[in-house]
Amino acid sequence: AQSVTQLGSHVSVSEGALVLLRCNYSSSVPPYLFWYVQYPNQGLQLLLKYTSAATLVKGINGFEAEFKKSETSFHLTKPSAHMSDAAEYFCAVTSGWSGYALNFGKGTSLLVTP
Amino acid sequence: GAGVSQSPSNKVTEKGKDVELRCDPISGHTALYWYRQRLGQGLEFLIYFQGNSAPDKSGLPSDRFSAERTGESVSTLTIQRTQQEDSAVYLCASSLNRRSQGALGNGYTFGSGTRLTVV
Repeated sequence: AQSVTQLGSHVSVSEGALVLLRCNYSSSVPPYLFWYVQYPNQGLQLLLKYTSAATLVKGINGFEAEFKKSETSFHLTKPSAHMSDAAEYFCAVTSGWSGYALNFGKGTSLLVTP
Repeated sequence: GAGVSQSPSNKVTEKGKDVELRCDPISGHTALYWYRQRLGQGLEFLIYFQGNSAPDKSGLPSDRFSAERTGESVSTLTIQRTQQEDSAVYLCASSLNRRSQGALGNGYTFGSGTRLTVV
C-alpha cells in the first residue's frame, strides 16, 4: 500500500517569498506522485505529476517538484508566491499499472499575505 | 459535458434521513471515482467504477453507503440513515482510463463536490 504525509496543515508566506510545501511518501513499489490544488469552492486541479521520467517536474502556475528517492520526498516549490496561489494543496500517490486509485494526503492550506 | 458536474452543491439534512448525491462525468470517461473529504482530512477513497465491470466498493465506510452507475454515464451515491459523522464534501472524479492509467495519462478530473451537512 502507498501513502503520503504532508507536513504542515497550514503554511503562510509573504507575497513574493518562496513557497515550499512538503510531501513524503511511503511505497513498497516505485511510486507515481502528484500534486493537486483546490481553490475555494472548486474541484481539485492537477498541478504536476511524477511518472518516473525526469526527477524535477515542472507544472502549471510556476510550480515545480523534485522526486528524491533517498529522502522519499516530493516537495512542491514556487520561487515567488502570488496572492492567487492561496489554496489547498494535496499530494497523492499511486503505483502505476497495478490498478490502485490515487491515495491523497491530508492537504496543506497555503496562505499568502501582502 | 465540459467538466464533471455534481449536484447538489450543498445539502443540509437531518440525522436519520437518506440522501442522494449525483455525479455527471465527462462524456467518454469510462472510469468514475467517489471520494470523501472530511474537514481537516485528506481525500478518502470510497468507490470506483470502470465501464461495465463490477465496481470496487472497498472504500465504502459502512453498509449505509451505496453507489450506482448506469453504463458510463451518471452515478449516484446514496447514504442511508445519515449520521453526523457523514458530514463532509463528497467529490466525484472521472478519467479516460482505469485508475492508475487515468492518473498517469490525462489525470482525474474532479467535480466541485457536494458539501453535505448532517444536523
